[in-house]
Amino acid sequence: EAGVTQSPTHLIKTRGQQATLRCSPISGHTSVYWYQQALGLGLQFLLWYDEGEERNRGNFPPRFSGRQFPNYSSELNVNALELEDSALYLCASSSGTTGYEQYFGPGTRLTVT
Amino acid sequence: QKEVEQDPGPLSVPEGAIVSLNCTYSNSAFQYFMWYRQYSRKGPELLMYTYSSGNKEDGRFTAQVDKSSKYISLFIRDSQPSDSATYLCAINNFGNEKLTFGTGTRLTIIP
Repeated sequence: EAGVTQSPTHLIKTRGQQATLRCSPISGHTSVYWYQQALGLGLQFLLWYDEGEERNRGNFPPRFSGRQFPNYSSELNVNALELEDSALYLCASSSGTTGYEQYFGPGTRLTVT
Repeated sequence: QKEVEQDPGPLSVPEGAIVSLNCTYSNSAFQYFMWYRQYSRKGPELLMYTYSSGNKEDGRFTAQVDKSSKYISLFIRDSQPSDSATYLCAINNFGNEKLTFGTGTRLTIIP
């Protein structure tokens, strides 16, 4: 069974640009989560999508947004990039009934210069 | 006060030793407790989860939860060099689905 996949693996942007990160969940999973893992800050919850709807968001500014498509894949958009947005962005998925059991993808490393 | 506290280490032990990794949490409403393993430059891998006080065993790994003390532990028996990684505890409030992570403990098993 294929795991969670993310693309691209690496992304280099300059300050002020926009970044788009993509995630495909495990087959059969309807929930997708986004986390940011910045150096020294640990894993921070960003967004949760389920059945195409945003269900919860973490303590991040509105320039972090996303969506979930009918096939349950998801996209994270980061607008007006700042240097401190440089981090590993991790996507996880779960079934609708066991949200605590989240499986992570390999991540997208975003570097803002 | 952080919701989850975890000793960042680093922790180095000889191969074959028993490893103990620990976290404390502050909110008694948390119901699910997970342990993840993360190798360098990889995504976290779910090792175990539990939702009640007591022990849960899976091979060489044992997860222990003490809700009265708000203390969770992961024990690794017969540790191997391949166990060298960062171990993250995570907790969850059922219905919220947001995982709150500890900062991770970096573990090195010395051959």
